[in-house]
Amino acid sequence: DAKTTQPNSMESNEEEPVHLPCNHSTISGTDYIHWYRQLPSQGPEYVIHGLTSNVNNRMASLAIAEDRKSSTLILHRATLRDAAVYYCILRDAGTASKLTFGTGTRLQVTL
Amino acid sequence: KAGVTQTPRYLIKTRGQQVTLSCSPISGHRSVSWYQQTPGQGLQFLFEYFSETQRNKGNFPGRFSGRQFSNSRSEMNVSTLELGDSALYLCASSPHGQAKRTDTQYFGPGTRLTVL
Repeated sequence: DAKTTQPNSMESNEEEPVHLPCNHSTISGTDYIHWYRQLPSQGPEYVIHGLTSNVNNRMASLAIAEDRKSSTLILHRATLRDAAVYYCILRDAGTASKLTFGTGTRLQVTL
Repeated sequence: KAGVTQTPRYLIKTRGQQVTLSCSPISGHRSVSWYQQTPGQGLQFLFEYFSETQRNKGNFPGRFSGRQFSNSRSEMNVSTLELGDSALYLCASSPHGQAKRTDTQYFGPGTRLTVL
C-alpha cells in the first residue's frame, strides 16, 4: 500500500476553517484518497473520498493536488465536535485492498 | 438503519484464556472487517469476511481467527490470550467489501479487551 504522511497534531479556533494536509508522493494512478476521523471513545467514521477532482460533501471538502501527490481536507467552520484524529488513507484496486491507517492528525479545537 | 453493533463493549480476561467478540453489521451489508487498535501500533487490519468467506487477512498470529454467519454477523476469537492483546477491537461493515475502492466502511463502537 502506498504510504501517507500527516502532521501529528494541529490546533484550530472554533468557527474558523481548518486545512488538514496529507502527502502521498507514491500514489498510483488508480488509488482513491479517503479520509476518516475518529472522535474520542468512538470507532472511526467516514468523512470523504476522491480520485482526481476536488470533492465536497456536508462534512468537508477534499482538495487534491494536480499531480495527486498531496491532498487537503478542509473543514469550513470547525466546531468543538470536530476535535478528533483525522486519517488520510489510500485505497488501491483488487482484493488486497483494505484500510491501512497511519498515525493521523490529532485536531484540537478551542473556543 | 441501525448502525454496527458490537458485543460485549468491555471485557476483562486473564492470560491464557480465550475470548469471542461479536459484531452485527448494518442490515444488507455483506462485508465485515476487524481491526485492532492499541496506543503503540495504532489501527491495524485483522481480517475481512465477505459472504462467509475470509477474503483478506492482516499480519497477525494464528491465535486470531474469525468467522461469518449466513446472516452476515461475525465473530472473532482470540485464543491463549497474552497481555499484548489488550486493545480496542473494532468491527466495520460495508455493502461490497474492501475490494471496492469507493466502498465506505462503517465502524462500530468497539470492544475494549483488557488482559490481566
